[in-house]
Amino acid sequence: GEDVEQSLFLSVREGDSSVINCTYTDSSSTYLYWYKQEPGAGLQLLTYIFSNMDMKQDQRLTVLLNKKDKHLSLRIADTQTGDSAIYFCAESNDYKLSFGAGTTVTVRA
Amino acid sequence: DAGVTQSPTHLIKTRGQQVTLRCSPKSGHDTVSWYQQALGQGPQFIFQYYEEEERQRGNFPDRFSGHQFPNYSSELNVNALLLGDSALYLCASSSDVGSYEQYFGPGTRLTVT
Repeated sequence: GEDVEQSLFLSVREGDSSVINCTYTDSSSTYLYWYKQEPGAGLQLLTYIFSNMDMKQDQRLTVLLNKKDKHLSLRIADTQTGDSAIYFCAESNDYKLSFGAGTTVTVRA
Repeated sequence: DAGVTQSPTHLIKTRGQQVTLRCSPKSGHDTVSWYQQALGQGPQFIFQYYEEEERQRGNFPDRFSGHQFPNYSSELNVNALLLGDSALYLCASSSDVGSYEQYFGPGTRLTVT
């Protein structure tokens, strides 16, 4: 079965790096995702990684995947106030996405 | 290029009533998935439609049903509403060819009183 876990809260100072962690249980997941949700809005696809990769970089975002430990992380470099949001980790299985409960990131000045 | 659109934005219904939510996929996408997001939780998969058929279903009762039209737009119907059905309902679209990228709409906020 699928079970995705994330820490609930992260507070970071503006300009620092943020690291959000996630663990998943389904070893057959083909893709793993990071989505961002701002208050009152839908989910924005930030980035995703194929399960046979261990790292992907996209501008300020770096995704690390440890398939052996089923651990996924998202690093946001030079965190800005606009990065304050809820971040969801998700794994794909067949056609559906299974999400964690989300990590609320608060950026303080 | 329009993204995924959903209507209505907000809806208030009474227990026992029925509701229909609508979704238009992103241009070029032919697959629509529906998710329920309760307050403070991550989205939960309801079902996915492709070629006007339900292709996969999550752990939701038969009160939840859907439809996909020839133009790929979709409806989610919920019968006999319960208080626990209050949630944000999200539609996601994808292309069956590149089905690993799912793009979400802004959601419909349903409140059941």
